[in-house]
Amino acid sequence: ETGVTQTPRHLVMGMTNKKSLKCEQHLGHNAMYWYKQSAKKPLELMFVYNFKEQTENNSVPSRFSPECPNSSHLFLHLHTLQPEDSALYLCASSQDLSSGAMGSYNEQFFGPGTRLTVL
Amino acid sequence: GENVEQHPSTLSVQEGDSAVIKCTYSDSASNYFPWYKQELGKGPQLIIDIRSNVGEKKDQRIAVTLNKTAKHFSLHITETQPEDSAVYFCAASSYSSASKIIFGSGTRLSIRP
Repeated sequence: ETGVTQTPRHLVMGMTNKKSLKCEQHLGHNAMYWYKQSAKKPLELMFVYNFKEQTENNSVPSRFSPECPNSSHLFLHLHTLQPEDSALYLCASSQDLSSGAMGSYNEQFFGPGTRLTVL
Repeated sequence: GENVEQHPSTLSVQEGDSAVIKCTYSDSASNYFPWYKQELGKGPQLIIDIRSNVGEKKDQRIAVTLNKTAKHFSLHITETQPEDSAVYFCAASSYSSASKIIFGSGTRLSIRP
């Protein structure tokens, strides 16, 4: 296992429902990420948090609302989703968002994902 | 912004043969190129990476090559085994934008017994 867990593993929801996805990392990392993985499309970065502060919102619709209460936990709150939002949602973590110096890139560790189906 | 193209989308090879997956990128500022393997029911896992100051890197049966001039990089798997069957993703990033990894669309590799 990678040290990143996600719950639930599968979720079916109607367009009017409100649900939340949870991610927890046990690696002592300070950066956490949400990705969307759709069939036959590249992984799409959604949100990035570094030391609990959001540093990246990749033009994600407001029906997706992230929350990072501490460096170990990341949530994705879902509200009035559309069928096209059905996908695998992956959480990842890395040491932190070092930048600049050569060799400062940090490996991202992914969780197993939540398979979301919106009816 | 950065765009990463990956080919082929599917690849089937005989067990024991070699497999090659190729990627191109558009942003000349990219200087870090990881490769991820995603098995069924799991998230992607880093298997090898290469930085722009080297042209080739090898780790047992897998190797990556990088041609910065042509903006090409490739993954080579030799002596393929059944457990190599998975989806492989190339990616590109730069140290100045460490949070942004741009992924290719993936290659589904199947190893025939």
